[in-house]
Amino acid sequence: EAGVAQSPRYKIIEKRQSVAFWCNPISGHATLYWYQQILGQGPKLLIQFQNNGVVDDSQLPKDRFSAERLKGVDSTLKIQPAKLEDSAVYLCASRPGVAGAGYNEQFFGPGTRLTVL
Amino acid sequence: GENVEQHPSTLSVQEGDSAVIKCTYSDSASNYFPWYKQELGKGPQLIIDIRSNVGEKKDQRIAVTLNKTAKHFSLHITETQPEDSAVYFCAAGNSGYALNFGKGTSLLVTP
Repeated sequence: EAGVAQSPRYKIIEKRQSVAFWCNPISGHATLYWYQQILGQGPKLLIQFQNNGVVDDSQLPKDRFSAERLKGVDSTLKIQPAKLEDSAVYLCASRPGVAGAGYNEQFFGPGTRLTVL
Repeated sequence: GENVEQHPSTLSVQEGDSAVIKCTYSDSASNYFPWYKQELGKGPQLIIDIRSNVGEKKDQRIAVTLNKTAKHFSLHITETQPEDSAVYFCAAGNSGYALNFGKGTSLLVTP
């Protein structure tokens, strides 16, 4: 079974530029998460999708971050404009079940390492 | 919201010794407690998990214990090997909603 795919693996941009990350979850997984992992810390949720709907985006800085999962499969996370403090690894994870029920294991992709100069 | 504290932040053991990492959580509604291992340049990988209706779970050299009353859970690795060296994260969650992670423990196993 293929795992969660993410691209690009690395990205370097200057502040105020925009950037987009792509995630392809495990086939059939209903729930998709984007986490931000700052160096030396644990992952922190940015947004959770169930199929193509948003379950939780309470920690997403909506003035600069946006995300979509239009067909309930792939997802894109965008930052515009980027700030220095956005330097982090952006992790995508997926889970077979829906929120509120069932087995809870989340499968993580390798992440995209973003450096903002 | 949920707050997960993890200790120690770094841990160095000799090969063959045991390693213990401890976490506490704040939200009594949390019912799922996974442990992830993260190697350099990779995403977190689940190594063991426990649900709130179970007090202990074991998988070969790895075990997890949960004390719901005290709101703490621990990871135990026995007979450590150099390939166990990595960063370990505990997390707490509720029925498929997002996980809240600790800050991680960097484990070094020296030969």
